[in-house]
Amino acid sequence: EAGVTQFPSHSVIEKGQTVTLRCDPISGHDNLYWYRRVMGKEIKFLLHFVKESKQDESGMPNNRFLAERTGGTYSTLKVQPAELEDSGVYFCASSRSYGRGETQYFGPGTRLLVL
Amino acid sequence: SQKIEQNSEALNIQEGKTATLTCNYTNYSPAYLQWYRQDPGRGPVFLLLIRENEKEKRKERLKVTFDTTLKQSLFHITASQPADSATYLCALDTSGGYNKLIFGAGTRLAVHP
Repeated sequence: EAGVTQFPSHSVIEKGQTVTLRCDPISGHDNLYWYRRVMGKEIKFLLHFVKESKQDESGMPNNRFLAERTGGTYSTLKVQPAELEDSGVYFCASSRSYGRGETQYFGPGTRLLVL
Repeated sequence: SQKIEQNSEALNIQEGKTATLTCNYTNYSPAYLQWYRQDPGRGPVFLLLIRENEKEKRKERLKVTFDTTLKQSLFHITASQPADSATYLCALDTSGGYNKLIFGAGTRLAVHP
């Protein structure tokens, strides 16, 4: 069984540009989460999809971030326009359900650097 | 304010010894506490979960304790090996099961031969 995959693995863009990150969850996992770790900080929750619906987007920092999960399969996270403080590692995770204590499986992350 | 604290300094131990990592939290009431391992350049990997009504959980050489009165979890690796060297993260789920995890900053463990 393939794990969670993320693309690209690295992205370097200039301030003001747009970047789109993609996450492919484990097949059959209805729940998809986005997290990020900015420099020197802990990993922070961004949002949670159940299938194609946003269950919780309380962690999204501002309206420059847009997450989608059309069809309930892969998800994209678009940052437009990117700012310097958006630099960090963006992780995606998936789980089969969101029952109590369900294990989340993380992808390797996308390292974003905004210059 | 709410916070999760893990040993900020790296923990260095000799192979074969028991490593003990600490996770303290304030102003949270987590239903679950989870421990993850993270290697450089990779995403976190789930290790163990313990529920608020459980005192201890074991898995092979790993043991987790959870004291909701002290607001603390201890993570033990017995008979440690150099391959156990990694960063270990604790994460709280305070969302009532929706798996919205709140992570600590992690503790780096180095096991020396």
